[in-house]
Amino acid sequence: KAGVTQTPRYLIKTRGQQVTLSCSPISGHRSVSWYQQTPGQGLQFLFEYFSETQRNKGNFPGRFSGRQFSNSRSEMNVSTLELGDSALYLCASSLRSGARNTEAFFGQGTRLTVV
Amino acid sequence: AQSVTQPDIHITVSEGASLELRCNYSYGATPYLFWYVQSPGQGLQLLLKYFSGDTLVQGIKGFEAEFKRSQSSFNLRKPSVHWSDAAEYFCAVGASQGAQKLVFGQGTRLTINP
Repeated sequence: KAGVTQTPRYLIKTRGQQVTLSCSPISGHRSVSWYQQTPGQGLQFLFEYFSETQRNKGNFPGRFSGRQFSNSRSEMNVSTLELGDSALYLCASSLRSGARNTEAFFGQGTRLTVV
Repeated sequence: AQSVTQPDIHITVSEGASLELRCNYSYGATPYLFWYVQSPGQGLQLLLKYFSGDTLVQGIKGFEAEFKRSQSSFNLRKPSVHWSDAAEYFCAVGASQGAQKLVFGQGTRLTINP
């Protein structure tokens, strides 16, 4: 079956603009988590969506937001871009089953460069 | 709060040699532990995971890891590395619900000498 799909793969934006990234999870997976990866801070959790509701949130400013649609696809938005937002943004999908949890499967990421 | 420490930023081993990558975690309850591998510019691939049960877990590509609660460690091992194992390796711990909110270590970059 198809893996986690992130679009676009690469983006170049200007400081002050906003950007929207998309993530399509594995079929049947209803949980989508987003991570930011930078050389300085490493991999950091942004937020998780399940059943169209944000379930967990990391320590990022309000400029970072997300949403999830009824088909479990998720989007992440960053407003008023700053140079420090340049990063690889990864999304991960999982089953989030109640009794026993499962692993998270990651997409290839979206490389965002802010100039 | 959860935390993960990977003490080695960069390790170089010769092809065919054994490998051990260290991971120490801090978490108050029973941890969900994972090892991921990342090739340059790519996403993360799960190597193995530990939820409960047998403390020695087998993963893909010939990797294994051992959970030691007394040492708060989850070290990754491979008896004989191949040049294709060169990559960055991340240890992660999940909260009680599992894999949805992972805390990652800083990663260990593995270089293989021919």
